[in-house]
Amino acid sequence: DVKVTQSSRYLVKRTGEKVFLECVQDMDHENMFWYRQDPGLGLRLIYFSYDVKMKEKGDIPEGYSVSREKKERFSLILESASTNQTSMYLCASSFSAANEKLFFGSGTQLSVL
Amino acid sequence: GENVEQHPSTLSVQEGDSAVIKCTYSDSASNYFPWYKQELGKRPQLIIDIRSNVGEKKDQRIAVTLNKTAKHFSLHITETQPEDSAVYFCAGYSGSARQLTFGSGTQLTVLP
Repeated sequence: DVKVTQSSRYLVKRTGEKVFLECVQDMDHENMFWYRQDPGLGLRLIYFSYDVKMKEKGDIPEGYSVSREKKERFSLILESASTNQTSMYLCASSFSAANEKLFFGSGTQLSVL
Repeated sequence: GENVEQHPSTLSVQEGDSAVIKCTYSDSASNYFPWYKQELGKRPQLIIDIRSNVGEKKDQRIAVTLNKTAKHFSLHITETQPEDSAVYFCAGYSGSARQLTFGSGTQLTVLP
Protein backbone atom coordinates (compact mmCIF):
# COMPACT_ATOMS: atom_id res chain seq x y z
CA ASP A 1 0.00 0.00 0.00
CA VAL A 2 1.08 3.54 -0.70
CA LYS A 3 2.13 5.38 2.37
CA VAL A 4 1.91 9.16 2.56
CA THR A 5 3.37 10.39 5.81
CA GLN A 6 2.97 13.84 7.29
CA SER A 7 5.52 14.74 9.91
CA SER A 8 3.17 16.12 12.56
CA ARG A 9 -0.42 15.27 13.52
CA TYR A 10 -0.88 18.40 15.63
CA LEU A 11 1.09 21.64 15.58
CA VAL A 12 0.69 24.85 17.58
CA LYS A 13 2.51 27.96 16.40
CA ARG A 14 2.54 31.67 17.19
CA THR A 15 1.53 34.43 14.79
CA GLY A 16 4.49 35.47 12.66
CA GLU A 17 6.41 32.22 13.02
CA LYS A 18 7.75 30.39 9.98
CA VAL A 19 6.13 26.98 9.77
CA PHE A 20 7.24 23.92 7.83
CA LEU A 21 4.87 21.05 7.09
CA GLU A 22 6.58 17.98 5.69
CA CYS A 23 5.15 15.22 3.55
CA VAL A 24 6.86 12.06 2.32
CA GLN A 25 5.50 9.37 0.00
CA ASP A 26 7.09 5.99 -0.54
CA MET A 27 5.72 4.87 -3.91
CA ASP A 28 7.71 6.92 -6.39
CA HIS A 29 4.68 9.05 -7.31
CA GLU A 30 5.25 11.90 -9.74
CA ASN A 31 2.60 14.19 -8.34
CA MET A 32 2.17 15.69 -4.91
CA PHE A 33 -0.42 18.09 -3.57
CA TRP A 34 -1.16 20.23 -0.54
CA TYR A 35 -4.77 20.85 0.44
CA ARG A 36 -6.30 22.61 3.40
CA GLN A 37 -9.57 21.39 4.85
CA ASP A 38 -11.99 23.72 6.60
CA PRO A 39 -15.56 22.89 7.69
CA GLY A 40 -18.06 23.77 4.99
CA LEU A 41 -15.35 24.59 2.47
CA GLY A 42 -14.18 21.12 1.50
CA LEU A 43 -10.65 20.54 0.35
CA ARG A 44 -8.95 23.51 -1.27
CA LEU A 45 -5.76 23.13 -3.27
CA ILE A 46 -2.85 25.28 -2.13
CA TYR A 47 0.02 24.11 -4.33
CA PHE A 48 0.94 21.06 -6.35
CA SER A 49 3.99 19.63 -8.03
CA TYR A 50 4.33 17.37 -11.04
CA ASP A 51 8.06 16.89 -10.81
CA VAL A 52 11.10 17.58 -8.69
CA LYS A 53 11.81 21.31 -8.31
CA MET A 54 8.57 22.06 -10.10
CA LYS A 55 5.58 23.75 -8.46
CA GLU A 56 2.28 25.23 -9.52
CA LYS A 57 -0.20 27.40 -7.64
CA GLY A 58 -3.55 25.99 -6.73
CA ASP A 59 -6.65 27.94 -5.79
CA ILE A 60 -5.40 29.50 -2.53
CA PRO A 61 -1.61 29.95 -2.66
CA GLU A 62 -1.44 33.30 -0.88
CA GLY A 63 0.65 33.15 2.27
CA TYR A 64 2.18 29.78 1.37
CA SER A 65 5.16 28.46 -0.53
CA VAL A 66 6.38 24.95 -1.28
CA SER A 67 9.58 23.06 -1.89
CA ARG A 68 10.20 19.81 -3.73
CA GLU A 69 13.91 19.08 -3.75
CA LYS A 70 13.43 15.30 -3.85
CA LYS A 71 10.75 13.28 -5.59
CA GLU A 72 9.42 11.71 -2.40
CA ARG A 73 9.23 14.87 -0.32
CA PHE A 74 6.95 17.89 -0.65
CA SER A 75 7.11 20.64 1.94
CA LEU A 76 4.57 23.37 2.64
CA ILE A 77 5.93 26.57 4.12
CA LEU A 78 4.03 29.30 5.91
CA GLU A 79 6.45 32.23 5.75
CA SER A 80 4.73 34.20 8.51
CA ALA A 81 1.88 32.27 10.10
CA SER A 82 -1.39 34.07 10.70
CA THR A 83 -4.47 33.05 12.65
CA ASN A 84 -6.49 32.57 9.46
CA GLN A 85 -4.11 29.78 8.52
CA THR A 86 -5.38 27.68 11.40
CA SER A 87 -6.66 24.60 9.58
CA MET A 88 -6.23 20.91 8.77
CA TYR A 89 -3.55 20.46 6.11
CA LEU A 90 -3.63 17.36 3.95
CA CYS A 91 -0.87 16.16 1.67
CA ALA A 92 -1.66 13.82 -1.20
CA SER A 93 0.15 12.06 -4.01
CA SER A 94 -0.75 10.31 -7.25
CA PHE A 95 1.21 8.23 -9.71
CA SER A 96 1.14 10.26 -12.87
CA ALA A 97 -1.63 12.86 -12.86
CA ALA A 98 -4.33 14.46 -10.73
CA ASN A 99 -6.97 12.57 -12.70
CA GLU A 100 -5.98 9.40 -10.97
CA LYS A 101 -6.47 8.09 -7.44
CA LEU A 102 -5.08 10.42 -4.79
CA PHE A 103 -3.47 8.92 -1.71
CA PHE A 104 -3.79 11.21 1.28
CA GLY A 105 -1.70 11.60 4.37
CA SER A 106 -3.37 11.59 7.77
CA GLY A 107 -3.26 15.38 8.00
CA THR A 108 -1.70 18.02 10.21
CA GLN A 109 -4.00 20.10 12.40
CA LEU A 110 -2.26 23.46 12.65
CA SER A 111 -3.30 26.02 15.22
CA VAL A 112 -1.87 29.52 14.95
CA LEU A 113 -2.26 31.54 18.14
CA GLY B 1 -11.06 27.63 -13.11
CA GLU B 2 -13.33 24.76 -12.21
CA ASN B 3 -16.06 25.28 -9.62
CA VAL B 4 -17.73 22.26 -8.01
CA GLU B 5 -20.87 22.66 -5.93
CA GLN B 6 -22.14 19.85 -3.72
CA HIS B 7 -25.54 19.31 -2.09
CA PRO B 8 -26.78 18.64 0.48
CA SER B 9 -24.26 19.61 3.14
CA THR B 10 -25.84 17.18 5.61
CA LEU B 11 -27.96 14.09 4.99
CA SER B 12 -29.55 11.71 7.45
CA VAL B 13 -31.11 8.43 6.34
CA GLN B 14 -32.47 5.36 8.06
CA GLU B 15 -30.39 2.23 7.85
CA GLY B 16 -31.37 0.31 4.73
CA ASP B 17 -32.58 3.38 2.85
CA SER B 18 -30.81 4.94 -0.12
CA ALA B 19 -28.74 8.12 -0.08
CA VAL B 20 -28.08 10.46 -2.99
CA ILE B 21 -25.51 13.25 -3.09
CA LYS B 22 -25.39 15.63 -6.03
CA CYS B 23 -22.64 17.78 -7.53
CA THR B 24 -22.48 20.28 -10.36
CA TYR B 25 -19.39 21.51 -12.15
CA SER B 26 -18.65 24.54 -14.29
CA ASP B 27 -15.84 23.56 -16.66
CA SER B 28 -17.27 21.69 -19.63
CA ALA B 29 -13.78 20.35 -20.38
CA SER B 30 -13.61 18.48 -17.07
CA ASN B 31 -13.31 14.76 -17.71
CA TYR B 32 -12.77 12.94 -14.43
CA PHE B 33 -15.07 12.88 -11.39
CA PRO B 34 -14.02 10.96 -8.27
CA TRP B 35 -15.80 10.57 -4.94
CA TYR B 36 -13.88 10.42 -1.68
CA LYS B 37 -15.10 9.20 1.71
CA GLN B 38 -13.65 10.58 4.92
CA GLU B 39 -14.54 8.83 8.15
CA LEU B 40 -14.19 10.77 11.37
CA GLY B 41 -10.55 11.42 12.18
CA LYS B 42 -9.29 9.59 9.12
CA ARG B 43 -7.88 10.51 5.75
CA PRO B 44 -10.06 10.79 2.62
CA GLN B 45 -10.14 7.66 0.51
CA LEU B 46 -11.33 7.14 -3.04
CA ILE B 47 -14.50 5.06 -3.21
CA ILE B 48 -15.52 5.38 -6.85
CA ASP B 49 -14.75 7.50 -9.89
CA ILE B 50 -16.15 8.08 -13.36
CA ARG B 51 -14.69 9.46 -16.56
CA SER B 52 -16.54 11.59 -19.06
CA ASN B 53 -16.90 8.83 -21.65
CA VAL B 54 -19.12 6.83 -19.29
CA GLY B 55 -22.61 7.69 -18.04
CA GLU B 56 -22.82 5.37 -15.04
CA LYS B 57 -20.58 3.18 -12.95
CA LYS B 58 -21.45 0.76 -10.16
CA ASP B 59 -19.49 -0.96 -7.43
CA GLN B 60 -21.66 -3.11 -5.18
CA ARG B 61 -23.90 -0.71 -3.20
CA ILE B 62 -22.33 2.42 -4.66
CA ALA B 63 -23.05 3.97 -8.04
CA VAL B 64 -22.15 7.22 -9.74
CA THR B 65 -24.02 8.82 -12.63
CA LEU B 66 -22.77 11.59 -14.90
CA ASN B 67 -24.80 13.95 -17.07
CA LYS B 68 -22.32 15.90 -19.21
CA THR B 69 -24.97 18.02 -20.87
CA ALA B 70 -26.26 19.30 -17.55
CA LYS B 71 -22.80 19.21 -15.99
CA HIS B 72 -23.81 17.29 -12.92
CA PHE B 73 -22.96 13.97 -11.34
CA SER B 74 -24.37 12.07 -8.40
CA LEU B 75 -23.38 9.44 -5.86
CA HIS B 76 -25.97 6.81 -5.00
CA ILE B 77 -25.61 4.53 -1.99
CA THR B 78 -28.19 1.78 -1.63
CA GLU B 79 -29.02 -0.30 1.45
CA THR B 80 -27.12 2.10 3.68
CA GLN B 81 -25.33 0.77 6.74
CA PRO B 82 -23.98 2.55 9.84
CA GLU B 83 -20.44 2.25 8.47
CA ASP B 84 -21.47 4.42 5.55
CA SER B 85 -21.65 7.37 7.96
CA ALA B 86 -18.88 9.76 6.89
CA VAL B 87 -18.18 12.93 4.97
CA TYR B 88 -18.33 12.44 1.21
CA PHE B 89 -16.53 14.74 -1.23
CA CYS B 90 -17.10 14.96 -4.94
CA ALA B 91 -14.44 16.42 -7.23
CA GLY B 92 -13.89 17.42 -10.83
CA TYR B 93 -10.66 17.35 -12.82
CA SER B 94 -9.96 20.18 -15.22
CA GLY B 95 -7.41 19.21 -17.85
CA SER B 96 -6.62 22.83 -18.62
CA ALA B 97 -5.75 23.59 -14.99
CA ARG B 98 -4.37 20.11 -14.36
CA GLN B 99 -5.91 20.06 -10.92
CA LEU B 100 -8.69 18.40 -9.00
CA THR B 101 -11.32 20.70 -7.47
CA PHE B 102 -13.36 19.35 -4.55
CA GLY B 103 -16.89 20.11 -3.50
CA SER B 104 -17.64 21.32 0.02
CA GLY B 105 -18.57 17.88 1.35
CA THR B 106 -21.70 16.08 2.59
CA GLN B 107 -21.97 14.72 6.11
CA LEU B 108 -23.96 11.49 5.76
CA THR B 109 -25.42 9.99 8.91
CA VAL B 110 -27.04 6.56 8.77
CA LEU B 111 -29.44 6.14 11.67
CA PRO B 112 -29.86 2.64 13.12
